[in-house]
Amino acid sequence: KAGVTQTPRYLIKTRGQQVTLSCSPISGHRSVSWYQQTPGQGLQFLFEYFSETQRNKGNFPGRFSGRQFSNSRSEMNVSTLELGDSALYLCASSSEDNSPLHFGNGTRLTVT
Amino acid sequence: QKEVEQNSGPLSVPEGAIASLNCTYSDRGSQSFFWYRQYSGKSPELIMSIYSNGDKEDGRFTAQLNKASQYVSLLIRDSQPSDSATYLCAVRGGGGNKLTFGTGTQLKVEL
Repeated sequence: KAGVTQTPRYLIKTRGQQVTLSCSPISGHRSVSWYQQTPGQGLQFLFEYFSETQRNKGNFPGRFSGRQFSNSRSEMNVSTLELGDSALYLCASSSEDNSPLHFGNGTRLTVT
Repeated sequence: QKEVEQNSGPLSVPEGAIASLNCTYSDRGSQSFFWYRQYSGKSPELIMSIYSNGDKEDGRFTAQLNKASQYVSLLIRDSQPSDSATYLCAVRGGGGNKLTFGTGTQLKVEL
C-alpha cells in the first residue's frame, strides 16, 4: 500500500506570497491532519479533515486554511506568507478514529 | 504547564543497554498514546501505540501506560546505533484525530 504522499517536497517563497500544499492519504483513509514543525515549537496541530469536513482546528491564524476533496486528498493554503511560516509541513492520515496517524515525508517551506 | 512533556535530552546510552524514555500529559481525558521516532530531516514514524494501562511489547520496544499518574514511557532494549533519533510522545484526547505532541527526547546510542 502506498504511504501518504505530499507535494511538493520543497518550496521557496517570498514574504506576502501565498502557497498551496497537497497531500494524498493512504488509500482508504478518510481522516487527514496537517501539522507544522519548527525547531522552536515542535509539532503543532493545524487542522483535521474527515469526509470533506473540518473536524478540528488548531490555534493558527486565518491565513492558514485547508480543504479535503471527495477522494480524501487534501490541500492546505497559507496566504500572505511571513518569515515565521518557514517550517516543515506534515500531513498525516488515519483509517478511523483512535487509529494511529501515518505521516507523509513533508513539505519544507522556506519564506525569504 | 505544557500539555505533553518530555525531557529534551540528549539521552545517551551505550550500545546494548536499555533506553528509557518518559512522557507526562496533563489531560486526564486522554484516550490514546503513541510513540513516534523521527530521524533528522525525516518525518515521524510510528513505533508504538497504547490505549490501556499496563505494558505493551513489540520486539525490542515496550510501551508502558499509567493513566492514574498520567505517565507513559517507552523502553528500548538492546539499543542499537540505528535507534539514535528523536522520540516523540503523542496523546489523543477528545473527538477526532488531533494529536498533541511533546517536544521530543533525543536519544544517542553510543558504540
